[in-house]
Amino acid sequence: EDQVTQSPEALRLQEGESSSLNCSYTVSGLRGLFWYRQDPGKGPEFLFTLYSAGEEKEKERLKATLTKKESFLHITAPKPEDSATYLCAVQAISQGGSEKLVFGKGTKLTVNP
Amino acid sequence: NAGVTQTPKFQVLKTGQSMTLQCAQDMNHEYMSWYRQDPGMGLRLIHYSVGAGITDQGEVPNGYNVSRSTTEDFPLRLLSAAPSQTSVYFCASSYRAPGLAGGRYEQYFGPGTRLTVT
Repeated sequence: EDQVTQSPEALRLQEGESSSLNCSYTVSGLRGLFWYRQDPGKGPEFLFTLYSAGEEKEKERLKATLTKKESFLHITAPKPEDSATYLCAVQAISQGGSEKLVFGKGTKLTVNP
Repeated sequence: NAGVTQTPKFQVLKTGQSMTLQCAQDMNHEYMSWYRQDPGMGLRLIHYSVGAGITDQGEVPNGYNVSRSTTEDFPLRLLSAAPSQTSVYFCASSYRAPGLAGGRYEQYFGPGTRLTVT
């Protein structure tokens, strides 16, 4: 069964304290991995797409990396406005040959001033 | 561009009632989808559409119906609401459908509809 597991479930950081969020996956045919940010009461906001192992993408204080089994979202010197839930999703090929997107449960990040 | 819009933002239904959640996008996206988000669970796909006139079931389609008569609109119908359908519903769209060569599958989500069924 295709699975996406995010860890930790919740993370508290002090402003400026760098850390990483993990997204591990077991899918039969990876087509792409996506990171989203979700603020309370809002829809997920697209951040990055990664397609192949070794690929990296950066945006401000965020950097996403991909290996064959997991992805990391590195947060460098975070600020309180980075507080949100970060969702990982994997695009995979289902048994019937159709594409599907499987979401993890998310990591809730809190950055204290 | 307004992006993806959803109405209503909040809705309370009684068991057995029916209603339609509206979703519209102005980005000329081919692919649209509906998800539900429940506490402690990831987003789960209900139904999706790869273009006007074409819809298909996702992971949790029971109790829901969809149609896509135009590129812009993708309404979700609850046929007979049940308490198990209490959730936050998100509509999303993307430029291309997944699986197409060179497809861009990054999805843009609407603000959500919070539905309570009593």
